[in-house]
Amino acid sequence: GDSVTQTEGPVTVSESESLIINCTYSATSIAYPNLFWYVRYPGEGLQLLLKVITAGQKGSSRGFEATYNKETTSFHLQKASVQESDSAVYYCALGYGSSGNKLIFGIGTLLSVKP
Amino acid sequence: AQTIHQWPVAEIKAVGSPLSLGCTIKGKSSPNLYWYWQATGGTLQQLFYSITVGQVESVVQLNLSASRPKDDQFILSTEKLLLSHSGFYLCAWSPGLGGTETLYFGSGTRLTVL
Repeated sequence: GDSVTQTEGPVTVSESESLIINCTYSATSIAYPNLFWYVRYPGEGLQLLLKVITAGQKGSSRGFEATYNKETTSFHLQKASVQESDSAVYYCALGYGSSGNKLIFGIGTLLSVKP
Repeated sequence: AQTIHQWPVAEIKAVGSPLSLGCTIKGKSSPNLYWYWQATGGTLQQLFYSITVGQVESVVQLNLSASRPKDDQFILSTEKLLLSHSGFYLCAWSPGLGGTETLYFGSGTRLTVL
């Protein structure tokens, strides 16, 4: 079936350290899935962090990067130097246009950045 | 700019009682609208979507129903809550332009059924 698996949290890192949150997907019934990272900061709603629609391409936003790798079916989220303000829950998702733009989410990864 | 407002922020309800959650989107005409739900420890799942007023498609059966009485309003409801309905409910919209669209989410409603 179609699914997303991501790093189980909580993940704790110190400020200025590097970060990687792993995400792998299975898209057996979707020919051309789009891949997303959404983020939920404390007290706020879920918001788009970055999106990549083409395999082999990289998306970036707020210092975060993720590359759509079709060979390894991965979309890992990376940041070279995290800040305390990056503390949030991060969700990897795959999306497709049928069934009303359905998004299939991972479980979410709680990131805590220590000052 | 488009805004999405969900209400209430949180609810504590008894098993068997009715429920109504709502969301309103301002600044965008004819958006696609969605309801998502996350049980504690679970993943976010799409429950319903609507591409136009009066039309709602169910994606997951959870003894819930949804309606779109106006272009900018989406309602999630049930006449009898179950314990399993507890969780976090998110309303979302997308531009409705076709293809795989980015979804824009509200702040959510935390529902506790006792």
